[in-house]
Amino acid sequence: EAQVTQNPRYLITVTGKKLTVTCSQNMNHEYMSWYRQDPGLGLRQIYYSMNVEVTDKGDVPEGYKVSRKEKRNFPLILESPSPNQTSLYFCASSNLRTDLYEQYFGPGTRLTVT
Amino acid sequence: SQQGEEDPQALSIQEGENATMNCSYKTSINNLQWYRQNSGRGLVHLILIRSNEREKHSGRLRVTLDTSKKSSSLLITASRAADTASYFCATSTSGGYNKLIFGAGTRLAVHP
Repeated sequence: EAQVTQNPRYLITVTGKKLTVTCSQNMNHEYMSWYRQDPGLGLRQIYYSMNVEVTDKGDVPEGYKVSRKEKRNFPLILESPSPNQTSLYFCASSNLRTDLYEQYFGPGTRLTVT
Repeated sequence: SQQGEEDPQALSIQEGENATMNCSYKTSINNLQWYRQNSGRGLVHLILIRSNEREKHSGRLRVTLDTSKKSSSLLITASRAADTASYFCATSTSGGYNKLIFGAGTRLAVHP
């Protein structure tokens, strides 16, 4: 089954404790992206990647890091989480070999930073 | 930056009625997409309309695009309780397949 998976689905952590949210897709998509969703703000892009070893900042990259060492994986790293990073996070992927550009989303990771 | 803005923010209708949601955006686009999100879950792509298209249909969905007004509408006909969800428009700017800008969404409630 074609899908984007994220782990963990729920995470409660404390300020300053490094964490990683994993994202994996099995569709051989070149493009992957991370978004955060906050009430009333819709989805905002954090980072994206056009292919292996190619990453770039989105609209709200501060406090986040990413890496793309393999095509299927795109982990999101919070080196020193703060309460304002409490949010619902989504990973998405897209096939750049067509011109459709529709994105496939993971189920989300709900992060709470206390 | 928030490109798409949906209107209304919330919509409540009865089963069988039609639901119309609108989206306005600010800059020129390559295409506009609509997504559905069931409560707290991932977004699901519904339909994409290119900037040179004016109308598109998919099942009970009808999307229109007016580039002169920088607006789009999503019509769901003969709504069902299962259509209850949030609906988001997302715009892709020219050559911008690397970036989708989402609006804040319309919450649709369909009552049996």
